[in-house]
Amino acid sequence: GAGVSQSPSNKVTEKGKDVELRCDPISGHTALYWYRQSLGQGLEFLIYFQGNSAPDKSGLPSDRFSAERTGGSVSTLTIQRTQQEDSAVYLCASSSSGGSVYEQYFGPGTRLTVT
Amino acid sequence: GENVEQHPSTLSVQEGDSAVIKCTYSDSASNYFPWYKQELGKGPQLIIDIRSNVGEKKDQRIAVTLNKTAKHFSLHITETQPEDSAVYFCAATSGGYQKVTFGIGTKLQVIP
Repeated sequence: GAGVSQSPSNKVTEKGKDVELRCDPISGHTALYWYRQSLGQGLEFLIYFQGNSAPDKSGLPSDRFSAERTGGSVSTLTIQRTQQEDSAVYLCASSSSGGSVYEQYFGPGTRLTVT
Repeated sequence: GENVEQHPSTLSVQEGDSAVIKCTYSDSASNYFPWYKQELGKGPQLIIDIRSNVGEKKDQRIAVTLNKTAKHFSLHITETQPEDSAVYFCAATSGGYQKVTFGIGTKLQVIP
C-alpha cells in the first residue's frame, strides 16, 4: 500500500519568501509528526497532531513556523520569511494510534534550500 | 524533557564484523526505545524496538539491549554487510504520548 508522501521533494527559495511543505500520511493513521533534519544533525521534533486534539507545537523554533492538518489527513508546514538557517530536510511521519506507542512511518522528506 | 545521547557519531567496520551503537536517555518514565535506519535520500525506517519490560530482543542479525537502571540501550549488528551502511538513530519515548526524542544518529560504514 501507499506510504507517507511528501511534496515537493526539493524546494529552493529566496531568503524572505514563504514556503509550504505538504505531507500525505498513510490512510487511517491518526497521528502525524513533522521533524527537521539539518546536515549532519539528528531529527528535531517540530510539531505533532493526534486526531482532533490540539497539536503539540512545542518544537516549532519560531513563530515563522506553523502547521495545519485538514480533515485529520493532509498536513501543511508553512515557513514564513524564510532564513538561510531554515535550510534542512523536513520529514513527515505518521502512526496508527495515539493511545500507546506505535511505529512511525516516515516520508522521503522535502529538502529545503534557502538562498 | 527527554534527552537522548548517541555514540559514536561515525563507525567503520569491516564486512563480517560486528557493530555496536550505544544510547543513553534521561527520562526514567521512557519505556519504548525504537531504532531507525536511514538510507541516503530516504526517510528513517524502523528496524527494531524494545519496551522497558524486556532486557534484550533479537531479529536475525540485529539485537537491542536495554538497561533501565543505567538508562542506556544499545544496538548490535552482527555479520555486517555492505547494505547495512546507513545512518542509525536511537529514540526514546514514554507510554501514552507519542512525542519521540531521537539521538543525533550514527553513520555506519561497512567496508567490503
